[in-house]
Amino acid sequence: EAQVTQNPRYLITVTGKKLTVTCSQNMNHEYMSWYRQDPGLGLRQIYYSMNVEVTDKGDVPEGYKVSRKEKRNFPLILESPSPNQTSLYFCASSLSGTSGIEQYFGPGTRLTVT
Amino acid sequence: SQQGEEDPQALSIQEGENATMNCSYKTSINNLQWYRQNSGRGLVHLILIRSNEREKHSGRLRVTLDTSKKSSSLLITASRAADTASYFCATDASNTGKLIFGQGTTLQVKP
Repeated sequence: EAQVTQNPRYLITVTGKKLTVTCSQNMNHEYMSWYRQDPGLGLRQIYYSMNVEVTDKGDVPEGYKVSRKEKRNFPLILESPSPNQTSLYFCASSLSGTSGIEQYFGPGTRLTVT
Repeated sequence: SQQGEEDPQALSIQEGENATMNCSYKTSINNLQWYRQNSGRGLVHLILIRSNEREKHSGRLRVTLDTSKKSSSLLITASRAADTASYFCATDASNTGKLIFGQGTTLQVKP
């Protein structure tokens, strides 16, 4: 089944403790992206990747890192999480980064930083 | 930056009625997409309309795009309880696949 998977689905952590949220897709998609969703703000893009070893900042990249060493994986790293990073995070992928292509979303990771 | 603004923020209708959601945006776009999100779940793509198209249909969905007014609408006809979800418009104004999402319309369809 074609899908985007994320792990973990739920995470409660403390300020400053490094964490990684994994994202994997099995559709051989070139483009991958991370979003965060907050009440009243909709979805905002954190980072995106046009292909392996090609990443770029989205609208809210502060406090996050990403890497794209393999086509299928695009982990999101929070080196020193803070409470304002408490949010619902979504990974998405699409066939390519060109315009006019639908994106496929993972199920989401609900992160709470205390 | 926020591109899409959706209206209404919340909509409650009876099963069988039609639901209309509107999206306005600020800059020129290549295309506009609509997504559905069931509570706490990932977004699912519904329909894409390109900037040179004015109307598009997919099953019970009808999307219109008015680039002169920078607005789009999503009509769901003969709604069902299973249509209860949040609906987001997303504009694509770049050549990098970047989508900018609106805040969404929460639709409740009562059986």
